[in-house]
Amino acid sequence: DAGITQSPRHKVTETGTPVTLRCHQTENHRYMYWYRQDPGHGLRLIHYSYGVKDTDKGEVSDGYSVSRSKTEDFLLTLESATSSQTSVYFCATPAPEQYFGPGTRLTVT
Amino acid sequence: AQSVSQHNHHVILSEAASLELGCNYSYGGTVNLFWYVQYPGQHLQLLLKYFSGDPLVKGIKGFEAEFIKSKFSFNLRKPSVQWSDTAEYFCAVSPSGRDDKIIFGKGTRLHILP
Repeated sequence: DAGITQSPRHKVTETGTPVTLRCHQTENHRYMYWYRQDPGHGLRLIHYSYGVKDTDKGEVSDGYSVSRSKTEDFLLTLESATSSQTSVYFCATPAPEQYFGPGTRLTVT
Repeated sequence: AQSVSQHNHHVILSEAASLELGCNYSYGGTVNLFWYVQYPGQHLQLLLKYFSGDPLVKGIKGFEAEFIKSKFSFNLRKPSVQWSDTAEYFCAVSPSGRDDKIIFGKGTRLHILP
């Protein structure tokens, strides 16, 4: 599983609150990815990183920001959570074949 | 733009039936191809991959896939499914050398009747 952990695994939060999800990898991979998974949409890329402090937007980046201050950690932040961001969030690394973390189930009420 | 199409959204089979899940992609250049499986309540796991060479790729748990370049297809097959194959299956494509550009299909939900 490429040594990927995610925290928290479950979170319930209220609309308008900030939320940060953490992805941690132990394999020193350069690439890291954040996806969201929703029924009928499959996996959609939110943001990805190709190195420390190097990030770029994916398909559904609006409302999300990321940071990567060290190789092993890739943070996803919802600045002001909305109900449409209720989803399961997966972190993945490396590339081209990806291995996924266990996921974070986020509910925004 | 690069895209991946999985034709079947939901497939129901009986145990021991043969399986073929379709995957087509649109991209004009050289690609890397993947199939992932997601068992209920779990994360995605790599089932098999194709980078180059023999277009018939064998993966874990008896699955295989064939890359047909002329048809832009990478269909997943298994000769005899088991109840434990109940899961969602995702096809994914990335242009060779473009590690930031992996695109997933919307998935096919497979239900095996015991």
